[in-house]
Amino acid sequence: EVQLVESGGGLVQPGGSLRLSCAASGFTFSNYDMHWVRQARGRGLEWVSVIGAAGDTYYSGSVKGRFTISRESDKNSLYLQMTNLRDEDTARYYCARGVRYDSSGYYSGVMDHWGQGTLVTVSS
Amino acid sequence: DIQMTQSPSSLSASVGDRVTITCRASQSISSYLNWYQQKPGKAPKVLIYAASTLQSGVPSRFSGSGSGTDFTLTISSLQPEDFATYYCQQTYTTPQFTFGPGTKVDIK
Repeated sequence: EVQLVESGGGLVQPGGSLRLSCAASGFTFSNYDMHWVRQARGRGLEWVSVIGAAGDTYYSGSVKGRFTISRESDKNSLYLQMTNLRDEDTARYYCARGVRYDSSGYYSGVMDHWGQGTLVTVSS
Repeated sequence: DIQMTQSPSSLSASVGDRVTITCRASQSISSYLNWYQQKPGKAPKVLIYAASTLQSGVPSRFSGSGSGTDFTLTISSLQPEDFATYYCQQTYTTPQFTFGPGTKVDIK
């Protein structure tokens, strides 16, 4: 069974830093893209970042230059290092597994498994 | 950047109703469009990918259509477990994605 478990959330002051982790199990972690998606309370989903199976990284404009995504395949773990945090970064952060192609070879780009999220609160 | 809009932002419907949600992209995204369902306090769940392909395990009452800039998610006969918020997601700019703002479906 695929499982994704996030940790590392908490209360941090504006300008502070936090490192989120996502422990993966039940699949070959190194073969998949891994995403971070966040959701502020009562708001919609916001894609944050992705790291490809080959280690390529991409960020949304709102976090580029402040957040760094990384992965350790030998630990089946995904990370999000967040620095210079702002009030507007307050949200639940989900990690999600990304699938580029379906079983027939057609592009899907789905996030097919998600964790339950970890809450980040940026406040003084 | 590609912007996604959805309409309506919310709707009220009854069990058994046919429900249609629209998603529009700010530029053509071909068929690179997925739909997700999210229930309160839960993580999102993928329903449809590539605009019209049903994800494995998703009931056939869900269907998707469209290409280019205009897309539709249809629930043919709304069930009690379908009351949720629905999001579209463009994957044209893969692997960077954008979600729509969501459509909340609640009970009339």
